[in-house]
Amino acid sequence: DTGVSQDPRHKITKRGQNVTFRCDPISEHNRLYWYRQTLGQGPEFLTYFQNEAQLEKSRLLSDRFSAERPKGSFSTLEIQRTEQGDSAMYLCASNLPPGQGMWVEAFFGQGTRLTVV
Amino acid sequence: AQKVTQAQTEISVVEKEDVTLDCVYETRDTTYYLFWYKQPPSGELVFLIRRNSFDEQNEISGRYSWNFQKSTSSFNFTITASQVVDSAVYFCALEPLIQGAQKLVFGQGTRLTINP
Repeated sequence: DTGVSQDPRHKITKRGQNVTFRCDPISEHNRLYWYRQTLGQGPEFLTYFQNEAQLEKSRLLSDRFSAERPKGSFSTLEIQRTEQGDSAMYLCASNLPPGQGMWVEAFFGQGTRLTVV
Repeated sequence: AQKVTQAQTEISVVEKEDVTLDCVYETRDTTYYLFWYKQPPSGELVFLIRRNSFDEQNEISGRYSWNFQKSTSSFNFTITASQVVDSAVYFCALEPLIQGAQKLVFGQGTRLTINP
């Protein structure tokens, strides 16, 4: 396993179109996170899953955004009716919950860069 | 509310110089973690260090060192004898509670350029 994989790496779409991104976490990691990073800013937390359960969603995740992780492995992030303000890098990360005193840092993918024109 | 401020937007130094990246944070929590990440041009965030709020010991790892001062809510990062490969955007981040899920609050980042 080479790490967290995100697809596509780049996406250009017209305003109003729907887009879907995929994230494949490190295989044994049952926690998966989505972040959004706009140009010149740090990443902002969007949501996270433990296995297939979506445990938390940020206020940043408007009704046009939906994330799923149906089998507790890969995850998808869909944006409906895209707007120019959705242009950003969408980062995925995964890790294990802490256990037996061990902590595992989150490993990040290279992100999907979305441009809405 | 939690907030992380990295006041230095860009820093440019010549190779072999020492450079310090500043990080100031705000939180009302008594228990929290602080992080530094590196983001090279390829885009992924590379974990560098995690510090918990109870441990104010400074840490050194090779050419990297970190200075945590709770009294001033600062967690600064120093690179000694910088190299061109250190060029990247560096982020300081805060995990508001020790809650297990790594839900991070990031600063705006500092773009570090090391010139040969």
